[in-house]
Amino acid sequence: DAKTTQPPSMDCAEGRAANLPCNHSTISGNEYVYWYRQIHSQGPQYIIHGLKNNETNEMASLIITEDRKSSTLILPHATLRDTAVYYCIVRSQGGSEKLVFGKGTKLTVNP
Amino acid sequence: GAVVSQHPSWVICKSGTSVKIECRSLDFQATTMFWYRQFPKQSLMLMATSNEGSKATYEQGVEKDKFLINHASLTLSTLTVTSAHPEDSSFYICSAFASGRWETQYFGPGTRLLVL
Repeated sequence: DAKTTQPPSMDCAEGRAANLPCNHSTISGNEYVYWYRQIHSQGPQYIIHGLKNNETNEMASLIITEDRKSSTLILPHATLRDTAVYYCIVRSQGGSEKLVFGKGTKLTVNP
Repeated sequence: GAVVSQHPSWVICKSGTSVKIECRSLDFQATTMFWYRQFPKQSLMLMATSNEGSKATYEQGVEKDKFLINHASLTLSTLTVTSAHPEDSSFYICSAFASGRWETQYFGPGTRLLVL
């Protein structure tokens, strides 16, 4: 079973920041927070991951609370092409640790 | 990032036939690959973990004799749906870790299977 909880859907205006929350209250000390997204009828795309520090890359920023029980993915300037289902996943690294997908958040970016 | 390809991208077959789906890592070696299935409006469900040179590990409820997985090289894993039936119609997606780099899993574009 997925170890994360996400809102089923969110809307965002084009050009504005999209903030997607994720709760992972049972996360273990060696588990990372990963974010993937899936655009309709495509394979999931890796976005970002982090352990406890905030992370930023060319796609997004990841803010993890100090107690690590929740996180927020931030798309700073959402575009129509960011409309997708966003999955927050916790997993430990090493070996063949699998990704367990929950239901994710359907983000709709509106013009 | 690393690139994973799948072939074919879509396939239509008659009930009772077998269908083979290929998953390739194009610019890296993958000792471990994963196969997922996704039904409409649902999330991805892991079917099995494929390890190069050894037998696949199947998730509970997945029939290993129906979904044959072969991972014969470091860049290729195949999923064969044997004696396909309409209920096997789904979106099949593979993913892979780059060998020695366990941080990130890269996904293929998926294969849509329709069994008539």
